[in-house]
Amino acid sequence: GNSVTQMEGPVTLSEEAFLTINCTYTATGYPSLFWYVQYPGEGLQLLLKATKADDKGSNKGFEATYRKETTSFHLEKGSVQVSDSAVYFCALSAPADKVIFGPGTSLSVIP
Amino acid sequence: DADVTQTPRNRITKTGKRIMLECSQTKGHDRMYWYRQDPGLGLRLIYYSFDVKDINKGEISDGYSVSRQAQAKFSLSLESAIPNQTALYFCATSDFRGGRGANVLTFGAGSRLTVL
Repeated sequence: GNSVTQMEGPVTLSEEAFLTINCTYTATGYPSLFWYVQYPGEGLQLLLKATKADDKGSNKGFEATYRKETTSFHLEKGSVQVSDSAVYFCALSAPADKVIFGPGTSLSVIP
Repeated sequence: DADVTQTPRNRITKTGKRIMLECSQTKGHDRMYWYRQDPGLGLRLIYYSFDVKDINKGEISDGYSVSRQAQAKFSLSLESAIPNQTALYFCATSDFRGGRGANVLTFGAGSRLTVL
């Protein structure tokens, strides 16, 4: 079946460090791919998305590229801030349009 | 007011009690979803509804039921709560209609349920 795997956390970085959170997926057909972010005490909110191979999603300095050949959608940011501390979820929208989430990666950014 | 409102935000109950979690939305979206979040497991889909007359089971529907009272309201019930239903529950909505594009979800703030 369809699934999403992402790197285990928690991840702790110093402010201004480079961030990569790996995400790989298994799916039939051509899913859409997403990154959602959950700030403490809040619901998830869409961070970025990509709907076809080689698309690059970007928002708030975060980027991810839909790589069909490696079935990956890794999240990157060049310089993280304390305010980026949150849990990040990789997700895909598969046939029948259900959205499947990865386990989440907790990020803490320290000053 | 929030686009997707969940009530209650926190609830502590005892084993065997009936619990209802409510969700209402002002987005005008047809599709509504209930997920539960457990540490290390991400979000798992409990039930979803594409319109008022359409209710579908998700991957973990056992022990839960839902009611879509109107386009804007989708409630989740635990008929007889048990401790392993302790979790954070999220309602989400979508205006996706299939085909090209992406099924983007809008989430509520969550309902934290503790079953003792």
